[in-house]
Amino acid sequence: EAGVAQSPRYKIIEKRQSVAFWCNPISGHATLYWYQQILGQGPKLLIQFQNNGVVDDSQLPKDRFSAERLKGVDSTLKIQPAKLEDSAVYLCASSFAPNTGELFFGEGSRLTVL
Amino acid sequence: AQRVTQPEKLLSVFKGAPVELKCNYSYSGSPELFWYVQYSRQRLQLLLRHISRESIKGFTADLNKGETSFHLKKPFAQEEDSAMYYCALKSGGSYIPTFGRGTSLIVHP
Repeated sequence: EAGVAQSPRYKIIEKRQSVAFWCNPISGHATLYWYQQILGQGPKLLIQFQNNGVVDDSQLPKDRFSAERLKGVDSTLKIQPAKLEDSAVYLCASSFAPNTGELFFGEGSRLTVL
Repeated sequence: AQRVTQPEKLLSVFKGAPVELKCNYSYSGSPELFWYVQYSRQRLQLLLRHISRESIKGFTADLNKGETSFHLKKPFAQEEDSAMYYCALKSGGSYIPTFGRGTSLIVHP
């Protein structure tokens, strides 16, 4: 089966610019997660969707980050305006059910903010 | 709040040596623990979970509630085990796994 797809793989922007990341989960997976992984740290959850509804966005910096999953399949994560500390790998993951703990990850989108 | 601690950033061993990657957690309820692995240039993937009590690629991990630990062990390391290993915790009331910072395992020939 096809895995979680993410794009772009790499993005370099200057601070105060905007960027968007796209994720297509595994077919049939209702739950989608966005994690932020800063160099040397473990993945930190930004937002979790169940179908097209938000389950948890308590750690999403809502003044600059936004995410949507309008049709319950693909998702987009946007940062506007970007800060230097947003430099990280943004990981998308999906799971069949919301509480399995077994997540399937994409390859990630590496963001560098200059 | 739930927390996962992986005290070692780097673990370096020789092929054939035993390996133990440490993971401690803090959570007062009934946790679910996982080990995820990321090989070079590959995506993060699940290695094993404590409830399945299975051995994957020779690795085992036992949940010790008294010591709040879930250490990953392998009796004889192989070069292909070199990777980043992340311990993750999911509490009973949460849908979301919390990850540790990871341990880089390097197995020398």
